[in-house]
Amino acid sequence: GQNIDQPTEMTATEGAIVQINCTYQTSGFNGLFWYQQHAGEAPTFLSYNVLDGLEEKGRFSSFLSRSKGYSYLLLKELQMKDSASYLCAVRGTYKYIFGTGTRLKVLA
Amino acid sequence: SAVISQKPSRDICQRGTSLTIQCQVDSQVTMMFWYRQQPGQSLTLIATANQGSEATYESGFVIDKFPISRPNLTFSTLTVSNMSPEDSSIYLCSVLGGGTGHEQYFGPGTRLTVT
Repeated sequence: GQNIDQPTEMTATEGAIVQINCTYQTSGFNGLFWYQQHAGEAPTFLSYNVLDGLEEKGRFSSFLSRSKGYSYLLLKELQMKDSASYLCAVRGTYKYIFGTGTRLKVLA
Repeated sequence: SAVISQKPSRDICQRGTSLTIQCQVDSQVTMMFWYRQQPGQSLTLIATANQGSEATYESGFVIDKFPISRPNLTFSTLTVSNMSPEDSSIYLCSVLGGGTGHEQYFGPGTRLTVT
């Protein structure tokens, strides 16, 4: 079967660092994506990993281990505006599969 | 990245009726995707729409319930037919783009409530 697991909810403090984990089992693998979705809005693209390792983009970094079926999104210097849902998605053989999302609350 | 608009942004409909959602992209794209996102849930792919051919539907979704049109490379419609309260959801269209060509860009969504 195809499955993506990520925590339902996380809470962190402004200025801190938070790591959101994602594990996946899919038929075929052609890349892993992270999207940010604010309440009532459409998802927006954050990062893409297709090879093992860390991709850094400003305050956001994403890591992939294909052998472990594992990824994480690292958010540094958290800001209040980072409060949102973070969706892990995998491009399998034929389509994209989305996880249920991790709702991140950033507290002042 | 592509700019995508959807109409309507929201609607409240009675059960048994149909609603057609429009998706317009500011550039020509080969594939367009239609997703459903039910409250508190993630995105579920309904179908992939290629211009000039019939849409490809995912398991659990059928053409009679969700007919799709793709008349050109910048436009698509999704119709939700014979609606029931279970169809209450956000419907989003998306296209591929970005530097890798694999990133998905989403329209703002259509929030549908069926009473």
